[in-house]
Amino acid sequence: DVKVTQSSRYLVKRTGEKVFLECVQDMDHENMFWYRQDPGLGLRLIYFSYDVKMKEKGDIPEGYSVSREKKERFSLILESASTNQTSMYLCASSLETGDYGYTFGSGTRLTVV
Amino acid sequence: AQRVTQPEKLLSVFKGAPVELKCNYSYSGSPELFWYVQYSRQRLQLLLRHISRESIKGFTADLNKGETSFHLKKPFAQEEDSAMYYCALSGPSNDYKLSFGAGTTVTVRA
Repeated sequence: DVKVTQSSRYLVKRTGEKVFLECVQDMDHENMFWYRQDPGLGLRLIYFSYDVKMKEKGDIPEGYSVSREKKERFSLILESASTNQTSMYLCASSLETGDYGYTFGSGTRLTVV
Repeated sequence: AQRVTQPEKLLSVFKGAPVELKCNYSYSGSPELFWYVQYSRQRLQLLLRHISRESIKGFTADLNKGETSFHLKKPFAQEEDSAMYYCALSGPSNDYKLSFGAGTTVTVRA
């Protein structure tokens, strides 16, 4: 089974802090994604990457950046955390272009105070 | 722009009753549609996709291009079907990403 591992299940950070959310997948998947999950809004795509060092903006990239230095790792960075970034963050991966059977991580619940 | 609409936030049914989760989409091309499910304390996972035309856990979904809908149905709901369900849409063939709806929480009562 492909595993997508998110390093933290729960995080509490202060406003203005720089926050790193880490995601690692162990099955050589090409594509990786970061979504945030909010009640009533569903999943919204923040950033995705289809190759090492490649990244594309999703629907809500403002206030976020990403890094993909190695194929298996995709990091989400909140440059200066704000309270409206309090959310559940989901990482996902897929094998290749056209593969929409995403494998999701268990999520990181981030609270910004 | 592509969009997925799930009009029901909450759906409550009795065990053994039929359940239907609505999903409408807007997309100008030929989309691929999916249903994802998240059970309590579990990861989000793919339930089914329209191109496979299969039944998973008793659920089916038919793509209706005329009505731009992809409703999920099960004739006899079970308590273990209680979960959050998301409808999702893929874009052009060179697009890598899925767009998700807002989700529907299903509660199946005994």
